[in-house]
Amino acid sequence: ILNVEQSPQSLHVQEGDSTNFTCSFPSSNFYALHWYRWETAKSPEALFVMTLNGDEKKKGRISATLNTKEGYSYLYIKGSQPEDSATYLCAFTYGGTSYGKLTFGQGTILTVHP
Amino acid sequence: DTGVSQDPRHKITKRGQNVTFRCDPISEHNRLYWYRQTLGQGPEFLTYFQNEAQLEKSRLLSDRFSAERPKGSFSTLEIQRTEQGDSAMYLCASSLGAGDEQYFGPGTRLTVT
Repeated sequence: ILNVEQSPQSLHVQEGDSTNFTCSFPSSNFYALHWYRWETAKSPEALFVMTLNGDEKKKGRISATLNTKEGYSYLYIKGSQPEDSATYLCAFTYGGTSYGKLTFGQGTILTVHP
Repeated sequence: DTGVSQDPRHKITKRGQNVTFRCDPISEHNRLYWYRQTLGQGPEFLTYFQNEAQLEKSRLLSDRFSAERPKGSFSTLEIQRTEQGDSAMYLCASSLGAGDEQYFGPGTRLTVT
């Protein structure tokens, strides 16, 4: 059984705060780690896809790091804005016969208060 | 192309009824995936297609569930004899190939009363 765990489950921050979330995943047979942002009533939107140990990716105020040896990824948001309020999902893909399908964590619900 | 679309966006049905959902992927995407999300959980994989071939089905997909992608383009997911436990958000995603980024539709929210 492949488990992807995210923490915290929910987070309330004030506008301007910086925050980070954790995603842990099985380190064996790793292929890729994905981060998605899912706003209410919209489609989940891909933020990052990371494949290499030590990868760091950045998009505006959001960045992510990857450690495949120990099986974790961090997502950072600098200077949170109310429009960052969403559910942040990480998902893991592994090699093998089920190559390509995503195994998701339960998500972190972020609420940014003005 | 405006992305992955799903229809309907919401469906309320009575227990025991059959429902069918449709997903239109991004054109020329070979892979199409179905996921289901229940309250408080992340999306869970149900099944996927490579063109018109259904290559894997999750154990979550009971015999009441069937999915098709007849011409390798749009896909349908049918649930027969719906149960209250089927209430969930059903998400469709497509990708160009196996390891490529998956693009999601907005989902169909099913409520079984």
